[in-house]
Formats: sequence, C-alpha cells, structure tokens
Amino acid sequence: DTGVSQDPRHKITKRGQNVTFRCDPISEHNRLYWYRQTLGQGPEFLTYFQNEAQLEKSRLLSDRFSAERPKGSFSTLEIQRTEQGDSAMYLCASSEDRGRNSPLHFGNGTRLTVT
Amino acid sequence: AQRVTQPEKLLSVFKGAPVELKCNYSYSGSPELFWYVQYSRQRLQLLLRHISRESIKGFTADLNKGETSFHLKKPFAQEEDSAMYYCALSGDGLKVIFGPGTSLSVIP
Repeated sequence: DTGVSQDPRHKITKRGQNVTFRCDPISEHNRLYWYRQTLGQGPEFLTYFQNEAQLEKSRLLSDRFSAERPKGSFSTLEIQRTEQGDSAMYLCASSEDRGRNSPLHFGNGTRLTVT
Repeated sequence: AQRVTQPEKLLSVFKGAPVELKCNYSYSGSPELFWYVQYSRQRLQLLLRHISRESIKGFTADLNKGETSFHLKKPFAQEEDSAMYYCALSGDGLKVIFGPGTSLSVIP
C-alpha cells in the first residue's frame, strides 16, 4: 500500500501525558497536512508543510501542539500535557505540489483518547 | 476569512431519487473547491474538484460565484452513495478548509 500511513491507529493516554503521532506521506508528495476531527465535525486544519518548512499553523492550536517534518518526508505531531479536550481523530494528508488544485490524500488517522 | 458551510447534517433520500448536498463558502478571492467523501470504514477521499468539471460516480458540482455555492448533485441516488460528504475550499496559501459535513443516507 503506497498511500498515506499513520501510526499508531489508536492511542489511549492519561491526562497530562505527552503523545507523539507519526505520518508517512505518499513518497512523491511535497505537501503534508495535519487535521483534527471530532465527532460530528469536519476536519479542522492544524498545520501544513511544504517539504520541511512549516508554512502555516492554526491559531486554534495551543503551544502544547508541535509538528515537525525534519527531512521533508515523514512528519510527527506531538501534544504535550494532554487534556481531555484533545480527544479526537488526528488526520494526516499529503498532496503533490501543483498549486491549489492538488487533491489531498488522507491516512486512516490516529484516534486519541485522553482519560 | 475562509469559511465553508453545509446546512444539512443529515440527508435521507430514496434510491433512484435525485440528491443535492448543499455547500456555501465565504472567501474574498477566487476559490478552488472540492468535494470529499468518506464511506463507512474507509479513509476520506476526493470525490471531485470544480476545476476538473467532471462527473464522478454520477455526481456533478457547479461553482456559482454569485451565490458562493458549490452544491453536489446526482440525478438518481444509489444505495452505495450512502456516506459522509465534505465540501472543502482552498483559498489563501495552500490551506484547505473543510465544512462540517453532510451524512447522506439512501433508503432502499
């Protein structure tokens, strides 16, 4: 399967703990996006990368969230001092670098539950 | 600011009936619009883009800049169309914003 892969699929953690998720995009895709989705809502934009450069970060994202894409390939999303409100599905997507029309290819997501 | 609204959270239609899923957007520039679909137990995937002007699985969508709408239509709904549908907009930079989604249920 050469699609976008995310690891882990599920993560249960206690409030206050740090968690890190990984996303491996489609290999020839330069752009990588992170979204958060809660029940009954559409994907909420968190941040995106063009190669290794983080070009935009949502103002909704607190300082507890950080994302990296050190070599322009895989990306990690870290949440520090997790809160119950962080419980959600975290989606990663990648796309080719062909302007604003390039479609996003999504992974299966990482479901985070904070207890 | 970019915004996408989908007024219906749930939509039920009978098999063979026409279906229209509404999408309205707010954006001051020239938007690029998309419809994404998520079938049960599958990942979110592209259904169609307005730039392509194509029909995918019998669905079409027309961009109406005057009404700032991008409604998704299909003349005859099929049971396999039951899914979650999201309208999305690419405006400023490369950020893609999604609407809240509409759950379509096709009744046999």
